[in-house]
Amino acid sequence: QVQLQESGPGLVKPSETLSLTCTVSGGSISSYYWSWIRQPAGKGLEWIGRIYTSGSTNYNPSLKSRVTMSVDTSKNQFSLKLSSVTAADTAVYYCARDIYGDYGYFDLWGRGTLVTVSS
Amino acid sequence: DIQMTQSPSSLSASVGDRVTITCQASQDISNYLNWYQQKPGKAPKLLIYDASNLETGVPSRFSGSGSGTDFTFTISSLQPEDIATYYCQQYDNLPTFGPGTKVDIK
Repeated sequence: QVQLQESGPGLVKPSETLSLTCTVSGGSISSYYWSWIRQPAGKGLEWIGRIYTSGSTNYNPSLKSRVTMSVDTSKNQFSLKLSSVTAADTAVYYCARDIYGDYGYFDLWGRGTLVTVSS
Repeated sequence: DIQMTQSPSSLSASVGDRVTITCQASQDISNYLNWYQQKPGKAPKLLIYDASNLETGVPSRFSGSGSGTDFTFTISSLQPEDIATYYCQQYDNLPTFGPGTKVDIK
């Protein structure tokens, strides 16, 4: 079955760029939307943005100026970059398959990866 | 932005009890509302999509209803494995989640 796995540094310094990759296994990344969602410790879920396998993107307006997403269909991966991070960006980051269009739900999720912003 | 509220923020119930959670949107979102279950240390899991459709493999004790701005999520008979936080999520516009309802056993 399709599985998602986040990877990337667990510690990022303030003002630097957070970079994460999500690897999709057990199925093709093509023809789907893929999203990043984050969750600070003890808090709720925040959608960061989505990317289609064509490369088209939608971002949360509150993060848009700092977010870049990309996709590499040859590697079955998509990625997130969040620039100028602060302690407020410390969270568990999830990648998820985004059933977008006629619907709008996230049906498959990675296990999540904790990113801490600290010097 | 469409804001989502949930009530209660937490509840305790006995095994076998009927549990109801409400979710309210700040504007009409038709039936563009999903429900997720998140157990501690785990990723959220989709339970209900489009307000009332049960995701494949999800037990039938879970159900959802509503449209417009007011939605309800119900567990017909609470089981020990249902201990979790439940989130609603709208997709009328860019996705936003409710603040969550923590459910535990009395």
